[in-house]
Amino acid sequence: GENVEQHPSTLSVQEGDSAVIKCTYSDSASNYFPWYKQELGKRPQLIIDIRSNVGEKKDQRIAVTLNKTAKHFSLHITETQPEDSAVYFCAASYSGTYKYIFGTGTRLKVLA
Amino acid sequence: DAGVIQSPRHEVTEMGQEVTLRCKPISGHNSLFWYRQTMMRGLELLIYFNNNVPIDDSGMPEDRFSAKMPNASFSTLKIQPSEPRDSAVYFCASSFAGGPNEQFFGPGTRLTVL
Repeated sequence: GENVEQHPSTLSVQEGDSAVIKCTYSDSASNYFPWYKQELGKRPQLIIDIRSNVGEKKDQRIAVTLNKTAKHFSLHITETQPEDSAVYFCAASYSGTYKYIFGTGTRLKVLA
Repeated sequence: DAGVIQSPRHEVTEMGQEVTLRCKPISGHNSLFWYRQTMMRGLELLIYFNNNVPIDDSGMPEDRFSAKMPNASFSTLKIQPSEPRDSAVYFCASSFAGGPNEQFFGPGTRLTVL
């Protein structure tokens, strides 16, 4: 079936360094790719998204890149801060529907 | 807007009991999603509705689970009978379905089945 693979499962970086999380999807018809941040005990919240007609999108310290040919997309966080520590989920829309397929999550720890 | 509202926030019950989780989507949103989150299985989509109609229930684990959306502002997820392996956090999310769009998650219901 359709799936989204996400790597790494855990990531530790020093404060101020960059963090990169990568996802690969299988459904060539996927056209929407959101990233969610989930803090401990909280709900997932959208931090950035990208549609298939765009190759890159930035929002302050966060950027997402999309390679449709290779079917992979990545989240880049620059100048990481302790408050960036959370679990990050990528997702891909499932062809012709409104549902997402979520990746398995990346636990990011930013060390002060 | 208050966002997606879920109740109860916590539920502890005994095996075999019926459990009903409730969700009120954001006003104006016409798609509603029920997810289950566990450490082992991550975020799983159970079912979603579009304009109050169930579109895809392929994620519903078994017949013990059922979901309804009687109107645009209310949905329920029912488990009968509940089992310990149903223990999880259940999230409801809503979106405006003009295409795949941001899903807004509710605070979740933490269910513990003893």
